[in-house]
Amino acid sequence: QVTLKESGPALVKPTQTLTLACSVSGFSLSTTGMRVSWVRQSPGKALEWLARIDWDGDKFYTASLKTRLTISKDTSKNQVVLTMTNMDPVDTATYYCARTGRYFDFDYWGQGILVTVSS
Amino acid sequence: DIQMTQSPSSLSASVGDRVTFSCRASQSISTYLNWYQQKPGRAPKLLIYAASSLHSGVPSRFSGSGFGTDFTLTISSLQPEDFATYYCQQSSNAPPTFGQGTNVEIK
Repeated sequence: QVTLKESGPALVKPTQTLTLACSVSGFSLSTTGMRVSWVRQSPGKALEWLARIDWDGDKFYTASLKTRLTISKDTSKNQVVLTMTNMDPVDTATYYCARTGRYFDFDYWGQGILVTVSS
Repeated sequence: DIQMTQSPSSLSASVGDRVTFSCRASQSISTYLNWYQQKPGRAPKLLIYAASSLHSGVPSRFSGSGFGTDFTLTISSLQPEDFATYYCQQSSNAPPTFGQGTNVEIK
């Protein structure tokens, strides 16, 4: 059974760095073809893809946030980590991790974590 | 980035209705189109991938069609658990992009 679960702070202050972890089970991050993405959803708005990391360590970022994002993985812990620097109130959103197919289809999602950026 | 436009933004329907809604891409995406269902407070769930393929465990009342720039999601007989927001997403070009969603409400 494939599951993903996000963890991290619910509240961060402006200018701080956000670090989120995605713990996965039911598949290995080192298995060929396995990919995990981060997607966020601002309150009442549509979904926005942020970043992806592949089984071989390849990383991909959305251009508009590339300078602020870092995605990494710890295969031994079955975790994918996303860091986002210089947080702003507009970054308030629910952040999801999702297993990702070759063609950027998201077949399994975590429950999401709401992150509020406020002083 | 490829823009995805869904219509209508919301619709009201009754249990048992046949419901169809649309998604249009700003450029051709072949069949690289996925559909998701999202209920309030929950994560999206994949329904359809590659425009017309049913994801594992998804009821057969859901179907998808289309090619190029115009796509359709159909629910053949709306069930109470189907009241939700539906998003399309293109997976042809990076970055993957989503439509704004169609909210299906109870009439």
